[in-house]
Amino acid sequence: EDKVVQSPLSLVVHEGDTVTLNCSYEVTNFRSLLWYKQEKKAPTFLFMLTSSGIEKKSGRLSSILDKKELFSILNITATQTGDSAVYLCAHNTGTASKLTFGTGTRLQVTL
Amino acid sequence: NAGVTQTPKFQVLKTGQSMTLQCAQDMNHEYMSWYRQDPGMGLRLIHYSVGAGITDQGEVPNGYNVSRSTTEDFPLRLLSAAPSQTSVYFCASSYAPPTSGNYEQYFGPGTRLTVT
Repeated sequence: EDKVVQSPLSLVVHEGDTVTLNCSYEVTNFRSLLWYKQEKKAPTFLFMLTSSGIEKKSGRLSSILDKKELFSILNITATQTGDSAVYLCAHNTGTASKLTFGTGTRLQVTL
Repeated sequence: NAGVTQTPKFQVLKTGQSMTLQCAQDMNHEYMSWYRQDPGMGLRLIHYSVGAGITDQGEVPNGYNVSRSTTEDFPLRLLSAAPSQTSVYFCASSYAPPTSGNYEQYFGPGTRLTVT
């Protein structure tokens, strides 16, 4: 059975800190790994990763995939209170629209 | 573009009642999915569709039906509501197939359902 495990479950940091969120996966047919940010409502797409070692970057957020060790990390530098959210990692099996989600990491950024 | 819209935003049902959660998108996306989100469980796929007239089961399909008569609409029907179906339901759509290099799902705002 495909599985996506995220750690830590929750995290509290001070504004300006750098955080690293982890996502490990066990899958039978890897296609891609996706990161989403969920604030109060719907998840919003951050990154899709398909190749090992290639960093994707958007502003203060970056992510990288290690297909040999089966994990991905999401880094957020110089955190702001607006980064407070649940960050979801999902694996795409490539079978139609099937995404398997992890339970998420709840990040709280305090002043 | 309105994106992905869902109605209603909130719903309370009694056990045994049936209802339909509506989902529509105006982006001409072929791929649409329904997820439920429960505390500590993440998002779980209920049903999905790869185009009008084609649907398939996801991870947790029992108790739910779907149909896809048009590209735009993908309603989710609860046949006989149970307290275990209390959850937040998200509809999502995407243009590209999951095998593409540009697979991005757009989520609707969600429907919070309580079954008593």
